[in-house]
Amino acid sequence: SQQGEEDPQALSIQEGENATMNCSYKTSINNLQWYRQNSGRGLVHLILIRSNEREKHSGRLRVTLDTSKKSSSLLITASRAADTASYFCATDYRRGSTLGRLYFGRGTQLTVWP
Amino acid sequence: KAGVTQTPRYLIKTRGQQVTLSCSPISGHRSVSWYQQTPGQGLQFLFEYFSETQRNKGNFPGRFSGRQFSNSRSEMNVSTLELGDSALYLCASSGGVVYNEQFFGPGTRLTVL
Repeated sequence: SQQGEEDPQALSIQEGENATMNCSYKTSINNLQWYRQNSGRGLVHLILIRSNEREKHSGRLRVTLDTSKKSSSLLITASRAADTASYFCATDYRRGSTLGRLYFGRGTQLTVWP
Repeated sequence: KAGVTQTPRYLIKTRGQQVTLSCSPISGHRSVSWYQQTPGQGLQFLFEYFSETQRNKGNFPGRFSGRQFSNSRSEMNVSTLELGDSALYLCASSGGVVYNEQFFGPGTRLTVL
């Protein structure tokens, strides 16, 4: 399967703590994207990191990409209860047969307790 | 810019019926992708359209079909509904030529009884 895999499957922390989620994938990518999904709703695009980038920041979010290890991590600093959601990584592979298609992992369910 | 919109948001159908879902992409985006999300299978790719042409298709039966109009709006159709078709159907639009950066709509929740 070309799907990425997030780790851990579930993460429970207190408000104010940092949350780190990891994603591993299998073959060369064009880019990797992180999404958030609140229960039963659409996916919210968080960050896209290109294969030639190593780190990107957006507000309280920090994403890193290690193409040698085929892995990425999403760090949410100073978590809030409103960050409670499922987080998905999605990979855009380089092969031509994957036009318009992203490969999603199963997601990490983050719960932030007040 | 307005985001991706999907209609209807909720649908209840019975087995054997057919259903049509609609997706309006972000203005200027020409690529629309469709995904099915279920608790058991996660997010699965259905198909992608670009400039009215289907460029890619996932591993779904022929009961699942789609099309794209000249204004980039897209529809997907599911015929002869089965209980297992109950899912959240998500569409995403992309305008990037080099980077497949996809922005999702709120989804259509389909329940098949």
